Amino acid sequence: DVKVTQSSRYLVKRTGEKVFLECVQDMDHENMFWYRQDPGLGLRLIYFSYDVKMKEKGDIPEGYSVSREKKERFSLILESASTNQTSMYLCASSLFGGVSYNEQFFGPGTRLTVL
Amino acid sequence: QQQVKQSPQSLIVQKGGISIINCAYENTAFDYFPWYQQFPGKGPALLIAIRPDVSEKKEGRFTISFNKSAKQFSLHIMDSQPGDSATYFCAASMRGDKLIFGTGTRLQVFP
Repeated sequence: DVKVTQSSRYLVKRTGEKVFLECVQDMDHENMFWYRQDPGLGLRLIYFSYDVKMKEKGDIPEGYSVSREKKERFSLILESASTNQTSMYLCASSLFGGVSYNEQFFGPGTRLTVL
Repeated sequence: QQQVKQSPQSLIVQKGGISIINCAYENTAFDYFPWYQQFPGKGPALLIAIRPDVSEKKEGRFTISFNKSAKQFSLHIMDSQPGDSATYFCAASMRGDKLIFGTGTRLQVFP
């Protein structure tokens, strides 16, 4: 079974803090994704990566950055957290062969609250 | 043009009934349409997917109906069960590009 794990289920941070969300997958997938999920807005893509050290902006990259130093790990960074970044963050991975024709496997999510 | 519009936002169905969730898109270049199912406290998981060369795909009690001319596709859950209670997302993509998700439908099936 593919397993995508996220470092925290719940996280509370203060405005202005630097926040790291970590994601690890154990199936040697090339593609990794970060989404945020908000009620009524669905899943919105923040960043994705199709290879180590490669990254592409998604639909809402402002205020975020990412890092992929190893194939299995994809980190989302909030340089200076703001209250409007309070959300559920979901990480996903998939095999290579087109970014999305292959099934995306999601982690359980990190619910981030910024006070 | 990149949007996928999903309705309804929430749906209440009695056990044994049919649940129907609809999605519409504008971009005729979309060529892959998956549905994801998300249970509370879990990440979404692929439920069923269709390519536009077929009008229907069935897997057990779950069926995708696809209408290319109307640019619409829908998920039908036959004989709905309480265990089907979840949030459902439709999505679309083109030529292997990123997935565009709908806004989600919260389905509640009551015994």
